[in-house]
Amino acid sequence: NAGVMQNPRHLVRRRGQEARLRCSPMKGHSHVYWYRQLPEEGLKFMVYLQKENIIDESGMPKERFSAEFPKEGPSILRIQQVVRGDSAAYFCASSPGLTGGNTIYFGEGSWLTVV
Amino acid sequence: KNEVEQSPQNLTAQEGEFITINCSYSVGISALHWLQQHPGGGIVSLFMLSSGKKKHGRLIATINIQEKHSSLHITASHPRDSAVYICAVISGGGSQGNLIFGKGTKLSVKP
Repeated sequence: NAGVMQNPRHLVRRRGQEARLRCSPMKGHSHVYWYRQLPEEGLKFMVYLQKENIIDESGMPKERFSAEFPKEGPSILRIQQVVRGDSAAYFCASSPGLTGGNTIYFGEGSWLTVV
Repeated sequence: KNEVEQSPQNLTAQEGEFITINCSYSVGISALHWLQQHPGGGIVSLFMLSSGKKKHGRLIATINIQEKHSSLHITASHPRDSAVYICAVISGGGSQGNLIFGKGTKLSVKP
């Protein structure tokens, strides 16, 4: 059973470009979470999604950031018009439905560098 | 003041020592996680607690809900335990996965 898969592992974008980060949850997991770790800072929650639904986006910046988890395919975190301050590690995690308990499994992270 | 505080921030130990990392939180919670982040950056969930104590191998996690405090213990520490250990809580009103993280404790175990 493959773990949570994130790609790309490393992404370099110029200011103003778009960044797309993908996350495939563990098999059988229907809940996906995105977190951001800024340099020298702790992790921060961004968004919680289930298939085709955003459950909690209270941690998402109001502009330029969006997330989706379509019926088919991976979850995608999209950052439009990137700025240097978006440089960070972005972690995805997944869990089974509520009946499966809420142990969370993390991916290896995607490191975004904006130049 | 952060909602989740960890101590110490940095910890250096000799191989074989017993290690304790502390986590205090100021909000009501539904669950607490202990996570391990290795130098390469990957994060592993060690424990999820809502009460009492859990043990896995050389790792023990305890939580005292009344005192809003949790501890992670490592017995017979080994250099491969060197990592950042992160405490994270789900507040009572928060959604599953809406974790509030501590800043982490960087552990270095010397051979």
